[in-house]
Amino acid sequence: KAGVTQTPRYLIKTRGQQVTLSCSPISGHRSVSWYQQTPGQGLQFLFEYFSETQRNKGNFPGRFSGRQFSNSRSEMNVSTLELGDSALYLCASSPGREAWEGYTFGSGTRLTVV
Amino acid sequence: LAKTTQPISMDSYEGQEVNITCSHNNIATNDYITWYQQFPSQGPRFIIQGYKTKVTNEVASLFIPADRKSSTLSLPRVSLSDTAVYYCLVGELNSGNTPLVFGKGTRLSVIA
Repeated sequence: KAGVTQTPRYLIKTRGQQVTLSCSPISGHRSVSWYQQTPGQGLQFLFEYFSETQRNKGNFPGRFSGRQFSNSRSEMNVSTLELGDSALYLCASSPGREAWEGYTFGSGTRLTVV
Repeated sequence: LAKTTQPISMDSYEGQEVNITCSHNNIATNDYITWYQQFPSQGPRFIIQGYKTKVTNEVASLFIPADRKSSTLSLPRVSLSDTAVYYCLVGELNSGNTPLVFGKGTRLSVIA
């Protein structure tokens, strides 16, 4: 079956702009999580959605937001981009209910802010 | 989520068995132990998960002692393609209470 699909794969934006990243989870998965990965901070949790509701949120400013649609696809938005937002943004999906159910990650979107 | 401690880096020669130990002294009753592997510019990939004793799949083995305060990921006969960062995570996945939290991981370098 198809894996987690993230689009676009690469993106270059200018400071001050806003960006929207997309994530299509594995069919049947209801949980989608977003992570930011940078060399200095490693993998940092942004937020998790389950059945269109935000279930958890990490410690990021309000410029970072997300949503999940009824088909479980998710988008995250970053407004007023800063140079420090340059990172690999990863999306992970999971069936979302049982404690033993692992997460499947996409290949990520590489965002560069110039 | 229980805090985990694992070595920052490890080196190994091809063909050797590699054991990466993760310490999680504050593991809770409902917590599972999960290991992920990540290659550069890719998302982490699920390797193995366990609750207690030993778990084995086609990729690795996971050894968990009775007190569950640590776990060891064992990679048999590593090859150059096993060079990656390995993350140990401990928690009650999908509980809706806490997210999946990654530490710094262990950077494994396999040498020819």
